[in-house]
Amino acid sequence: GAVVSQHPSRVICKSGTSVKIECRSLDFQATTMFWYRQFPKQSLMLMATSNEGSKATYEQGVEKDKFLINHASLTLSTLTVTSAHPEDSSFYICSAAPGGGNQPQHFGDGTRLSIL
Amino acid sequence: AQSVSQHNHHVILSEAASLELGCNYSYGGTVNLFWYVQYPGQHLQLLLKYFSGDPLVKGIKGFEAEFIKSKFSFNLRKPSVQWSDTAEYFCAVNTGGYQKVTFGTGTKLQVIP
Repeated sequence: GAVVSQHPSRVICKSGTSVKIECRSLDFQATTMFWYRQFPKQSLMLMATSNEGSKATYEQGVEKDKFLINHASLTLSTLTVTSAHPEDSSFYICSAAPGGGNQPQHFGDGTRLSIL
Repeated sequence: AQSVSQHNHHVILSEAASLELGCNYSYGGTVNLFWYVQYPGQHLQLLLKYFSGDPLVKGIKGFEAEFIKSKFSFNLRKPSVQWSDTAEYFCAVNTGGYQKVTFGTGTKLQVIP
């Protein structure tokens, strides 16, 4: 089945550091990928839609300058949390769907980000 | 914009008990509905999906869900749960033509041996 790989799985870093998270579709091409954030005991909240070759589409309330998204190829999207602060600590998950359209999303394993 | 409600936040059942998890959505148009499961320490996996056709959908591991359009519901069921079903279950919806998915708040299921 379709596989989405996310790296790293866990990051612990100091406040003020920028952190890059990668999301790869391993066996299919994805013109669109999605980035979610999951707070403890809460649901996945969509942060942005990553579009290959164009700018990402951010959800309301998500700071685009804080969460930089680059979708440079059909198999890779990156999320960079710039100048991270403790309140950015969360679980970040990416997803993609082979074939686009309404096909179910396949999810990466997620990245646990902890800012000290 | 669509929204999804899952009314049960935490469910505890004994093995062999029957399961029904509620899911309601709000959107007046065509929807695609999903149930995802997240086992401890693992990524989200698709349990089942409804796009069109038979409103009773069968998924993996003995799960099924019924789409009732008049009630805007897509409840998940399993006749007899196992300890290995302990996980968090998310209902999700997207609306025709768009990949963007809206998730419910999730239901944690704990099955006691």
